[in-house]
Amino acid sequence: GDKVKQSPSALSLQEGTNSALRCNFSIAATTVQWFLQNPRGSLINLFYLVPGTKENGRLKSAFDSKESYSTLHIRDAQLEDSGTYFCAAEADTGNYKYVFGAGTRLKVIA
Amino acid sequence: EAAVTQSPRNKVAVTGGKVTLSCNQTNNHNNMYWYRQDTGHGLRLIHYSYGAGSTEKGDIPDGYKASRPSQENFSLILELATPSQTSVYFCASGGLGVGNTLYFGEGSRLIVV
Repeated sequence: GDKVKQSPSALSLQEGTNSALRCNFSIAATTVQWFLQNPRGSLINLFYLVPGTKENGRLKSAFDSKESYSTLHIRDAQLEDSGTYFCAAEADTGNYKYVFGAGTRLKVIA
Repeated sequence: EAAVTQSPRNKVAVTGGKVTLSCNQTNNHNNMYWYRQDTGHGLRLIHYSYGAGSTEKGDIPDGYKASRPSQENFSLILELATPSQTSVYFCASGGLGVGNTLYFGEGSRLIVV
């Protein structure tokens, strides 16, 4: 089964609204990263997380290792937020091996 | 800003031929990775490396070899390319310890005919 399951698989948002993306882990994740793949195909790192939360502008992410999930909140969605969001989990401390989810395709519409 | 450069960016290969995808990083990162991306699968790890001379098998290593001759360079080698290896390949580098943020190259699109 999927070690890293992302939901929803696709999402359409009105510009200016808020949303949350989620990753559930069936592995003992120790660190999590979130990436945005933009429409040109480039992968951009958004967050690197140990258990806890981080915020950067309109984005906020949380990682709960005990409950095995991570979330990415997007506030005041803009057209340039469109793309595919991936989370990736490191399964064991120190092996630096990351397992990716299948992604959430986000389209922000005017 | 971290820099990871892949070459070639696009490649068409014939079945049974040899393909080498190259990756160079100027971040002085110890860890380097090769992933492939296919629709519906996200990114799947093929091989990775902890430093010069080291290569480790990822989750889908069959049909691929890797080489890490130096800190900066990490290659993915398809000795006998097959159409099932048609994909987009991404290289990434990452540092050690807390903050092992992955930095990705722009991807290499490979078509095997």
